[in-house]
Amino acid sequence: QQPVQSPQAVILREGEDAVINCSSSKALYSVHWYRQKHGEAPVFLMILLKGGEQKGHDKISASFNEKKQQSSLYLTASQLSYSGTYFCGTDPNDYKLSFGAGTTVTVRA
Amino acid sequence: NAGVTQTPKFQVLKTGQSMTLQCAQDMNHNSMYWYRQDPGMGLRLIYYSASEGTTDKGEVPNGYNVSRLNKREFSLRLESAAPSQTSVYFCASRAPGQGKHGYTFGSGTRLTVV
Repeated sequence: QQPVQSPQAVILREGEDAVINCSSSKALYSVHWYRQKHGEAPVFLMILLKGGEQKGHDKISASFNEKKQQSSLYLTASQLSYSGTYFCGTDPNDYKLSFGAGTTVTVRA
Repeated sequence: NAGVTQTPKFQVLKTGQSMTLQCAQDMNHNSMYWYRQDPGMGLRLIYYSASEGTTDKGEVPNGYNVSRLNKREFSLRLESAAPSQTSVYFCASRAPGQGKHGYTFGSGTRLTVV
């Protein structure tokens, strides 16, 4: 079953922050985050394991709450290069991912 | 370092025709996957192969077959194409190790069935 992402889309000005949420109805071992630019392949950003860890990638970070079966991706001080569609991927055993429908992020100058 | 290579990049088929999408990776990864991407629906898993010699169905396997030819190659076959199979198809691979690695995706095959 696919995880649910929110919001579907967000528009930002450079320097603004945003949060993308991902929730699952199943217990999770891990959550993956990917970014896809228009017409390109998805690119892996980070993986979070159960244990409530947080990770960072430049000014993009994420958290994972396995009790709530939720993960959030934080875009801090957004840059033009952050534009794209963000997908979370989940699986109870980190074996074969189900992806959310995606959140389209548009960063404007 | 090519990563994951998919061929062809674009294809137009007539309803009822068959074709095979090719995927090869040069990273010595064990697991390989086929996803389809449709607007507003994200990526949906068609088939996957945990290791050479094994294949399993994903969320949307109907109308497709796969072959894990060797460790490098994982092909997807449409036996009788239907307009509902118009989509962008992505192949992905992953290194072994639970919870350690993300997927590496190929550049995709854009398929139109008319």
